[in-house]
Amino acid sequence: DGGITQSPKYLFRKEGQNVTLSCEQNLNHDAMYWYRQDPGQGLRLIYYSQIVNDFQKGDIAEGYSVSREKKESFPLTVTSAQKNPTAFYLCASSIAGSRETQYFGPGTRLLVL
Amino acid sequence: SQQGEEDPQALSIQEGENATMNCSYKTSINNLQWYRQNSGRGLVHLILIRSNEREKHSGRLRVTLDTSKKSSSLLITASRAADTASYFCATDATGTASKLTFGTGTRLQVTL
Repeated sequence: DGGITQSPKYLFRKEGQNVTLSCEQNLNHDAMYWYRQDPGQGLRLIYYSQIVNDFQKGDIAEGYSVSREKKESFPLTVTSAQKNPTAFYLCASSIAGSRETQYFGPGTRLLVL
Repeated sequence: SQQGEEDPQALSIQEGENATMNCSYKTSINNLQWYRQNSGRGLVHLILIRSNEREKHSGRLRVTLDTSKKSSSLLITASRAADTASYFCATDATGTASKLTFGTGTRLQVTL
């Protein structure tokens, strides 16, 4: 059963804490993306990766970090430098770049305690 | 920055009616895509239209693209309650490094 999985579904962060959101895909896609969605808003690109061991900043990368050590995995860390982390985080993948369809995971909702 | 802007922000119709949503964008594009999002869920791809295409159909969906006006429309015919969702356009601008830019979305409510 191919697709993208994100975990956890809900995540709570304390002040000053780093948290990591998981994103795994078994679609054999080269490109992966992280987006942030605030209530009633569209998606904003945080980071993207077109190939293993390479990634680029999106429009709102400050306070976030990523790694791409394996083709199927693209974890996102929300660091303590991100002062307003409460949002819905979506991971996506595509065959190669944005010229084609992106496939999305179910999302992780991050809340601050 | 938001490349695409959807209009209207919200739309409420009755089952069986048609729903039309519009998207305007600012720069030249390679393609434009429409996605659907049910509340609290991930996005699902609906249709992709390339810059050299003017109209595309998929089931009850019809998408048009006018590159001279930098606009696109999504028509859902014979709407159903299950079509209730938010709909987003996303553009792949020319010259950008392989990324999509999403609009703010149209929230569609289909009532029985």
